[in-house]
Amino acid sequence: EAAVTQSPRSKVAVTGGKVTLSCHQTNNHDYMYWYRQDTGHGLRLIHYSYVADSTEKGDIPDGYKASRPSQENFSLILELASLSQTAVYFCASTGGAEQFFGPGTRLTVL
Amino acid sequence: GDSVTQTEGLVTLTEGLPVMLNCTYQSTYSPFLFWYVQHLNEAPKLLLKSFTDNKRPEHQGFHATLHKSSSSFHLQKSSAQLSDSALYYCALRNSNNRIFFGDGTQLVVKP
Repeated sequence: EAAVTQSPRSKVAVTGGKVTLSCHQTNNHDYMYWYRQDTGHGLRLIHYSYVADSTEKGDIPDGYKASRPSQENFSLILELASLSQTAVYFCASTGGAEQFFGPGTRLTVL
Repeated sequence: GDSVTQTEGLVTLTEGLPVMLNCTYQSTYSPFLFWYVQHLNEAPKLLLKSFTDNKRPEHQGFHATLHKSSSSFHLQKSSAQLSDSALYYCALRNSNNRIFFGDGTQLVVKP
């Protein structure tokens, strides 16, 4: 079965600090995505990638960077974390028609 | 551009009653449509997806029919169960493999 893992599963960060969220997939999928989900809101696309060493901006890229060093790994970087970035972050990969999600990372910025 | 609209933010109904969650979409080309379900504190997972061979997708008692004429892909179930309480997303995949999610519909099934 397709597998997407994320680390850390939860994190508390300070305002202005740097945060890196990591995602790893063993599905051999080309496409990977980062979403954020806020309480009571839907999924919003931050960045995505369709090949290693290349990333694309999604709908809400401001304040986030992404890195795809290999097909298996896709990171989301918050250079200067802000209170408004407190949310749950999901990574996903796509193979064929279906999108497979990781378990999520709960980020709290204080 | 491509987009998905789910008009209901919250649907509350009694166990045993039928379920219908609305989804309409806008797309330049013929997209794939999906329904994802997310239970509390879990990740979204695929519930069902549209096919091009006129077969109606079904899973766990849920079904949806793609109507290109009305650009709709409503989710239905004949009898709601308590365990169906969850957040449901309608999604679209376009020809560039970009996926667009609706805002989600929270389904609450009460005894």
